[in-house]
Amino acid sequence: NAGVTQTPKFQVLKTGQSMTLQCAQDMNHEYMSWYRQDPGMGLRLIHYSVGAGITDQGEVPNGYNVSRSTTEDFPLRLLSAAPSQTSVYFCASSEGTRTEAFFGQGTRLTVV
Amino acid sequence: GENVEQHPSTLSVQEGDSAVIKCTYSDSASNYFPWYKQELGKGPQLIIDIRSNVGEKKDQRIAVTLNKTAKHFSLHITETQPEDSAVYFCAASKGGSYIPTFGRGTSLIVHP
Repeated sequence: NAGVTQTPKFQVLKTGQSMTLQCAQDMNHEYMSWYRQDPGMGLRLIHYSVGAGITDQGEVPNGYNVSRSTTEDFPLRLLSAAPSQTSVYFCASSEGTRTEAFFGQGTRLTVV
Repeated sequence: GENVEQHPSTLSVQEGDSAVIKCTYSDSASNYFPWYKQELGKGPQLIIDIRSNVGEKKDQRIAVTLNKTAKHFSLHITETQPEDSAVYFCAASKGGSYIPTFGRGTSLIVHP
């Protein structure tokens, strides 16, 4: 049972480039979320999904796009990378909003 | 929306001492309060959670208390060990489609 798998683990982008961070879970969870973690700022919610075909914005959605075509996958797209998007990104999944969230190992992104 | 404040941001203790981390929340409808531990280079993992119909919950050296009237909850770790060194996050959720809101985290350092 792999849980939540994020790829890649590390990425360096140039300003203006686009890329997709992948997230997949094998627990048949309805809820999936993307967070960014910056020093002293905790985990800030970027986008989330309550089921296939349904997504919504979190606290810091600007510059990011998501889609949820299947229950298993929830990719995060950076449209035009900026240095302010340098961060560690975590994907999480859960059965509900009052149950344990399972996090991936994170993607460390640097935008130069 | 929900606002979760967590204190202290850094906590340094000697091995064997107790550690207490405190969180307050703003939305009186919140009824699920998980705590996560994040070790270096990894994603957060649930260590204990409490629901609003319970005032205290224990699991070996870890306990969580909840005061609904004052809207605060705390994590207590007794007989701390070096392997307890990590970043700890509290969160609050009111269920439905409301994704949990996280505190900013506490870096716990246990000195041997």
